[in-house]
Amino acid sequence: DIQMTQSPSTLSTSIGDRVTITCRASQNIGSWLAWYQQKPGKAPKLLIYKASYLETGVPSRFSGSGSGTEFTLTISSLQPDDLATYYCQQYDVYSLTFGGGTKVEIK
Amino acid sequence: EVQLVESGGGLVHPGGSLRLSCAASGFTFTSYWMTWVRQAPGKGLQWVASIKQDGSEEFYVDSVKGRFTISRDNAKNSLYLQMNSLRAEDTAVYYCARMTGWRSYFDYWGQGTLVTVSS
Repeated sequence: DIQMTQSPSTLSTSIGDRVTITCRASQNIGSWLAWYQQKPGKAPKLLIYKASYLETGVPSRFSGSGSGTEFTLTISSLQPDDLATYYCQQYDVYSLTFGGGTKVEIK
Repeated sequence: EVQLVESGGGLVHPGGSLRLSCAASGFTFTSYWMTWVRQAPGKGLQWVASIKQDGSEEFYVDSVKGRFTISRDNAKNSLYLQMNSLRAEDTAVYYCARMTGWRSYFDYWGQGTLVTVSS
């Protein structure tokens, strides 16, 4: 199975900051990567697919980049509504696998 | 509006069985692969199983192979997960989700149903 490793596991930051989360794949997955946002007690929400394509309705402060084995999710200016846990997911190969998550919290 | 509503969760003893259901609406169910994803309490997300539009193809994570069966009833716009030989480590919130292809991301999710395996 492809292992997905996210860093950091927790990110303490401030409103208005630029936030970057990294996701690394254990083998080349091309651009077959998605990012999700999950708030406590809620289902995950799709933010980005195919590494850099913004899902309809997602604010433009979210962006994704990367290919191969290294990917990033960037929030250009953190808003209070962005406090959540973020997951990456590869869909190049079955079994589909997720990263361990990055919790974004206020410093 | 796409809606996915799970049901069937609950408390079950180790070794027991449970069948989860997911009622889909707001889209053409027969056009989409569907999946189950779970999340153990306080843990991350784990893909469990996926099924093709006509039910002719299925994929499972290794840890549930031979114990869980994913199925669908297109006439009822419903997805199912039959879970047998349940273990404590199967305790999780189970989400059904829509896929955009046979090997894809998940664009819509249900609210989840909690399965607790405990004696």
